[in-house]
Amino acid sequence: QQQVKQSPQSLIVQKGGISIINCAYENTAFDYFPWYQQFPGKGPALLIAIRPDVSEKKEGRFTISFNKSAKQFSLHIMDSQPGDSATYFCAASIGRRYSTLTFGKGTMLLVSP
Amino acid sequence: EAQVTQNPRYLITVTGKKLTVTCSQNMNHEYMSWYRQDPGLGLRQIYYSMNVEVTDKGDVPEGYKVSRKEKRNFPLILESPSPNQTSLYFCASRGSVGTAGYEQYFGPGTRLTVT
Repeated sequence: QQQVKQSPQSLIVQKGGISIINCAYENTAFDYFPWYQQFPGKGPALLIAIRPDVSEKKEGRFTISFNKSAKQFSLHIMDSQPGDSATYFCAASIGRRYSTLTFGKGTMLLVSP
Repeated sequence: EAQVTQNPRYLITVTGKKLTVTCSQNMNHEYMSWYRQDPGLGLRQIYYSMNVEVTDKGDVPEGYKVSRKEKRNFPLILESPSPNQTSLYFCASRGSVGTAGYEQYFGPGTRLTVT
């Protein structure tokens, strides 16, 4: 049973456009929702994360929107750049114990010049 | 520089030949874990460790062993590798909540091929 569902699998966006990746979760005990960015040949790296007590978090061009009632959260990349081309993973964990991250299956983003 | 290191980075082996992938972190993190990454399946946790001598199974532990004898090291052992263990493996570590927060730091990955 997949606990975190991520869509789309792949995404092509023009330079300057908005990239949107969506995730839905099932376990209401999740209380930490990070997004990881992975470049080819590298390990995933934390991009931005949110706790469920806020509905939005913004860091530069990256924004997480969180909808607790719908059990959904999304990553928005504003003014997408070719350097943003990477695979993005959403994840969720229960923070009060060791935070075993449950990952979505990933979205491969390509930003065309 | 704070980092998680893995060795080897690439490994080709044959079915049944025991191997160990090493993982080391220099951040004095308590928590360490192993993931495997497969196309279309994302990252799946194999084993994790909350501290020295404390380990537990993740989502896909079959065919793997781990040990945590020192805080900095968390090796992954495949005692009898099979072709279905061909994958990209990542080690990760995290400090305790309240100090380093929830961020997990990932190593650079080990690409394993079992023929």
